[in-house]
Amino acid sequence: AQTVTQSQPEMSVQEAETVTLSCTYDTSESDYYLFWYKQPPSRQMILVIRQEAYKQQNATENRFSVNFQKAAKSFSLKISDSQLGDAAMYFCAYRRGGGADGLTFGKGTHLIIQP
Amino acid sequence: SAVISQKPSRDICQRGTSLTIQCQVDSQVTMMFWYRQQPGQSLTLIATANQGSEATYESGFVIDKFPISRPNLTFSTLTVSNMSPEDSSIYLCSVGEGRNTEAFFGQGTRLTVV
Repeated sequence: AQTVTQSQPEMSVQEAETVTLSCTYDTSESDYYLFWYKQPPSRQMILVIRQEAYKQQNATENRFSVNFQKAAKSFSLKISDSQLGDAAMYFCAYRRGGGADGLTFGKGTHLIIQP
Repeated sequence: SAVISQKPSRDICQRGTSLTIQCQVDSQVTMMFWYRQQPGQSLTLIATANQGSEATYESGFVIDKFPISRPNLTFSTLTVSNMSPEDSSIYLCSVGEGRNTEAFFGQGTRLTVV
């Protein structure tokens, strides 16, 4: 079975600085997807960024980028120019390819933005 | 994209009773997923609900405790039966299928069992 590990329960960063959230995963599959979701206090799960395992190029979405190391099974999220609105729980998630499965989530990282 | 409406948004229930959570999607989907998020914890998949067939439950979750209905391609319900305080959690409905598709989530139901 696949597992997702987030080893940082909490991270703190100064506004406008850069922070990196770590995620590792374990799977025997070759076809899969990785996601970072953000959950603010409103509880709504918001997709931050997505990476297809077959793509070597790291995904980027504005201030958010990932460092996808497939051989190391590592998928870290970098947030540049941190903003107060980035404060939330961040969950790393895995889904097997084919699209018929639910997501496996890591335990989450609570991101605090210091003004 | 998909817009998911989940009801109720929160409820406080007596132990021993049951609560049914509704999930309505604005488009037809084959699969709907139900997750549980215990206080301060991550999301755990409860079951996958396909229209026209019985739901598939993950290890640790059983149909008697979490019966699921899926009467059509836009609607599903999850019932939390014979509740105890340990069932106090956020329950989330999700959709998203096919290659290269993100998962969309409802806003969740915060359940407190007293």
